[in-house]
Amino acid sequence: DVKVTQSSRYLVKRTGEKVFLECVQDMDHENMFWYRQDPGLGLRLIYFSYDVKMKEKGDIPEGYSVSREKKERFSLILESASTNQTSMYLCASSFWTGAPGNTIYFGEGSWLTVV
Amino acid sequence: DQQVKQNSPSLSVQEGRISILNCDYTNSMFDYFLWYKKYPAEGPTFLISISSIKDKNEDGRFTVFLNKSAKHLSLHIVPSQPGDSAVYFCAATPAHGSSNTGKLIFGQGTTLQVKP
Repeated sequence: DVKVTQSSRYLVKRTGEKVFLECVQDMDHENMFWYRQDPGLGLRLIYFSYDVKMKEKGDIPEGYSVSREKKERFSLILESASTNQTSMYLCASSFWTGAPGNTIYFGEGSWLTVV
Repeated sequence: DQQVKQNSPSLSVQEGRISILNCDYTNSMFDYFLWYKKYPAEGPTFLISISSIKDKNEDGRFTVFLNKSAKHLSLHIVPSQPGDSAVYFCAATPAHGSSNTGKLIFGQGTTLQVKP
């Protein structure tokens, strides 16, 4: 079974703090993603990476950065947390298939509250 | 610009009846579509998918229908069970060519409640 593990399930941080969300996958997937889920907005892509040290902005990258130093690990960084970043953050991974269809696998999610 | 839209935020059905969840998309480059199911405090899990070369895909109680001319897809659950109560997300991707990064574009989600 594919395993995508997010290190922290629940976090409470103060405004202005630097926040690290860590994600590890065990399936040797090339692609990794960070989404956030908000009511009424669905899942929105923050950043994704298709290879080590490679990253691309998603739909809502402002206020976030990412790091991918190893294939299995993808970190989301909030340089200075703000209350509007209170959300559920979901990490995901998938193979790069180059062929039709590509299922991505999600972690359990990290609930971040910024106070 | 919402490229994938689920216009019904919620749906309530009786156990044993059919649940129909709808999804519309605007980008004609999308040619692979997926449905994910999400329970509270858990990550989404893959449910069923369909390629644009098909108009129907079935897996047990779940069937997805694709109408390319209308840019519309739907998920049918028959019969519905209380354990199906969850948020359902529709997702789409351009599966071919250099645009295939595996990136999925999701809809807003529909919360399904199946009443016993």
